Amino acid sequence: NAGVTQTPKFRVLKTGQSMTLLCAQDMNHEYMYWYRQDPGMGLRLIHYSVGEGTTAKGEVPDGYNVSRLKKQNFLLGLESAAPSQTSVYFCASSPPLGNEQFFGPGTRLTVL
Amino acid sequence: SQKIEQNSEALNIQEGKTATLTCNYTNYSPAYLQWYRQDPGRGPVFLLLIRENEKEKRKERLKVTFDTTLKQSLFHITASQPADSATYLCALDEGDYKLSFGAGTTVTVRA
Repeated sequence: NAGVTQTPKFRVLKTGQSMTLLCAQDMNHEYMYWYRQDPGMGLRLIHYSVGEGTTAKGEVPDGYNVSRLKKQNFLLGLESAAPSQTSVYFCASSPPLGNEQFFGPGTRLTVL
Repeated sequence: SQKIEQNSEALNIQEGKTATLTCNYTNYSPAYLQWYRQDPGRGPVFLLLIRENEKEKRKERLKVTFDTTLKQSLFHITASQPADSATYLCALDEGDYKLSFGAGTTVTVRA
């Protein structure tokens, strides 16, 4: 099993550009999450999903949108990137009735 | 959401010694608390989970305690090795299968 994979690994955007980050998991997990990690601030939850076709806002959802059209995929979109969105983005998943989260390798995004 | 404080950003210890990391929270006591390890450039990896009715949990050289009165968890690495050098994150249950993470403590074990 590949576990949780993220595409791309690195990306540089200009202010105002848009992009989509893809997260895929092959563990048949129900729950999926998008976090951002900034120095000294730990992981902050952006959006999450408790099942296919459902999404919910986390702690820092502004400027991001998500979709969960298939159970194994969770997409994070930035419609108009801003320098404040420069960060490392992690996707995670967890099984139903399970508590531990399985993380992907991360995407390092720089917005100029 | 919870305010979570992990003691000092960095901890340097000699190989063979015990590293003790602290995680303090301010609001309600969570149903469970987790500890993760994160290596540079990698995603966090789950280590241990301890529930509110458990005082202590062990896994190999790792030990976690949970004191709901003090609103604190302690994470111990015994007989530390250079390979234990990493950042350790504590995470608290926020309900609905969500977690709140601390900023982490970076441990460096000197040979």
